[in-house]
Amino acid sequence: AAGVIQSPRHLIKEKRETATLKCYPIPRHDTVYWYQQGPGQDPQFLISFYEKMQSDKGSIPDRFSAQQFSDYHSELNMSSLELGDSALYFCASSGHGSTETTDTQYFGPGTRLTVL
Amino acid sequence: AQSVAQPEDQVNVAEGNPLTVKCTYSVSGNPYLFWYVQYPNRGLQFLLKYITGDNLVKGSYGFEAEFNKSQTSFHLKKPSALVSDSALYFCAVRVPISSGSARQLTFGSGTQLTVLP
Repeated sequence: AAGVIQSPRHLIKEKRETATLKCYPIPRHDTVYWYQQGPGQDPQFLISFYEKMQSDKGSIPDRFSAQQFSDYHSELNMSSLELGDSALYFCASSGHGSTETTDTQYFGPGTRLTVL
Repeated sequence: AQSVAQPEDQVNVAEGNPLTVKCTYSVSGNPYLFWYVQYPNRGLQFLLKYITGDNLVKGSYGFEAEFNKSQTSFHLKKPSALVSDSALYFCAVRVPISSGSARQLTFGSGTQLTVLP
């Protein structure tokens, strides 16, 4: 079965640079979530999109922005990178509508961002 | 606000023995509870969830979890542990969509399970 695809898998950037992370949800999933997992920590919710509109916002820094495109893929844009942004960034997707049985979030493999 | 607690950072169990990974939650209203497993340098894999109905939920790879409303717990169990079950396990919670709350998951701090051969 198709899974959530994230690219790149690894990314190394310098401080103050920008980064763009991409997420391709499971086909026919219309909701995308972004989470950040710092070293030794649990995943923290950043932001989510439903039908290309931002649906919820968590602890996402103002330096970060995201959007969901017409083909439902999503991009997380990160500017003015700081050392503390080094983390594993996960994208998850879930099925449509408000049906609880289809609302399980399936996670991608993550993008490991290292800021030097 | 919703929260999840995993009281044990580390659980060690011998192969073939039963395992339990503990999780307690705090939410307003009925909780939707999930277990995920994370292998090193990998994403989170969905194991099972409780939405409503039978308190005993069966999931992937022989795992099951029991929802206990009075104790606000959702412990993960497996009757016979395998070495390959060694991984980091996360419990997560969210509230029903109908409550108007957000859909994002709130995770516990994770429990490292080590199954010893």
